[in-house]
Amino acid sequence: DAKTTQPNSMESNEEEPVHLPCNHSTISGTDYIHWYRQLPSQGPEYVIHGLTSNVNNRMASLAIAEDRKSSTLILHRATLRDAAVYYCIEASGSRLTFGEGTQLTVNP
Amino acid sequence: DVKVTQSSRYLVKRTGEKVFLECVQDMDHENMFWYRQDPGLGLRLIYFSYDVKMKEKGDIPEGYSVSREKKERFSLILESASTNQTSMYLCASSLIVQYYGYTFGSGTRLTVV
Repeated sequence: DAKTTQPNSMESNEEEPVHLPCNHSTISGTDYIHWYRQLPSQGPEYVIHGLTSNVNNRMASLAIAEDRKSSTLILHRATLRDAAVYYCIEASGSRLTFGEGTQLTVNP
Repeated sequence: DVKVTQSSRYLVKRTGEKVFLECVQDMDHENMFWYRQDPGLGLRLIYFSYDVKMKEKGDIPEGYSVSREKKERFSLILESASTNQTSMYLCASSLIVQYYGYTFGSGTRLTVV
């Protein structure tokens, strides 16, 4: 199964940018990188995904390294509602495999 | 927006009962999935289905079965519930997994007593 590596936890202050790193050194050329987040007592929700180019949407930005072995999810201005577990996933095949993710704490 | 609806938010069942967890999606997705989530173990795939009447075992299928009689509905069945099946159960659906990823339901927290 495709395996990513993320820090167990990170902290940020409200209204500051947050950079969440992910290593995916075994990624193949056609695997997309997906990010999800899970708020307490809810199912995971899609955040963003990309293949090679950097991507932006209303929730976040995704910066993908040129060699595609790592990526960074960027929250431009963290809010208290962004406190969640963030999962980085190599999307290959017919299923997604979730690791432990990064627990993001946002301080007021 | 795609919606994935799980029939119950919280459920309490007795040991030995047959339990049905229902999941319905409204966007004509071929692929549907059942995961369970436990502290320290993350999300683990139980079963998935890529078409009506088709099913594939995931990583932890023991003690579970599934049914997909209609495209929009994917049911998880606990044949004889046990206390170690107390967990959060999450259903997801997808059009094309690699490109579109999943849409998850809100989850069912099942307690077996």
